[in-house]
Amino acid sequence: AQKVTQAQTEISVVEKEDVTLDCVYETRDTTYYLFWYKQPPSGELVFLIRRNSFDEQNEISGRYSWNFQKSTSSFNFTITASQVVDSAVYFCALSGRGSTLGRLYFGRGTQLTVWP
Amino acid sequence: DTEVTQTPKHLVMGMTNKKSLKCEQHMGHRAMYWYKQKAKKPPELMFVYSYEKLSINESVPSRFSPECPNSSLLNLHLHALQPEDSALYLCASSQETSSSYNEQFFGPGTRLTVL
Repeated sequence: AQKVTQAQTEISVVEKEDVTLDCVYETRDTTYYLFWYKQPPSGELVFLIRRNSFDEQNEISGRYSWNFQKSTSSFNFTITASQVVDSAVYFCALSGRGSTLGRLYFGRGTQLTVWP
Repeated sequence: DTEVTQTPKHLVMGMTNKKSLKCEQHMGHRAMYWYKQKAKKPPELMFVYSYEKLSINESVPSRFSPECPNSSLLNLHLHALQPEDSALYLCASSQETSSSYNEQFFGPGTRLTVL
């Protein structure tokens, strides 16, 4: 079974604060892929990153960074120096080799609000 | 061009109406998806088309009828919907579905209200 848990339903921060969004996953697959998507109020899900199960290197892209730890089955997302434009719902998702035809399993999402 | 377009952006329909949602991508992707998303919930998969053939139907009621006229287009035909069908309908595409590796690119969605 594939499962993604995002325990934080809502997070509020003030601009320029750093914030970390947690993602914990469950899978029996040895090969799997993890994703983060951003959904601003406009509704479109924007792809942010893909990470495969064999690559535990952390990744940094501008103010965004991701920490993948297989030992704890976590794929956390950190925004450094948050901005108002970062306000959105963020979804973590999982797809495994055992998944049917590349099906994505989404967490329930974390609503991030960044106040000016 | 990494864009998936959807029309209309908003749709209000009565329970006896027939309407269609349209989705288009020009990225050469061979897999296309329909999702339904209720407020404060993650997207729920409805249908998957792979190489223009329906490969997944997540037990969606027959009042939703998908169609894939060609590899770039995906339609969702709506008939006799219920108020609980009001939601954001998202279209997505990916290179193919045979690999779990491929990220899905989403359109902006159609906000549907059924009166």
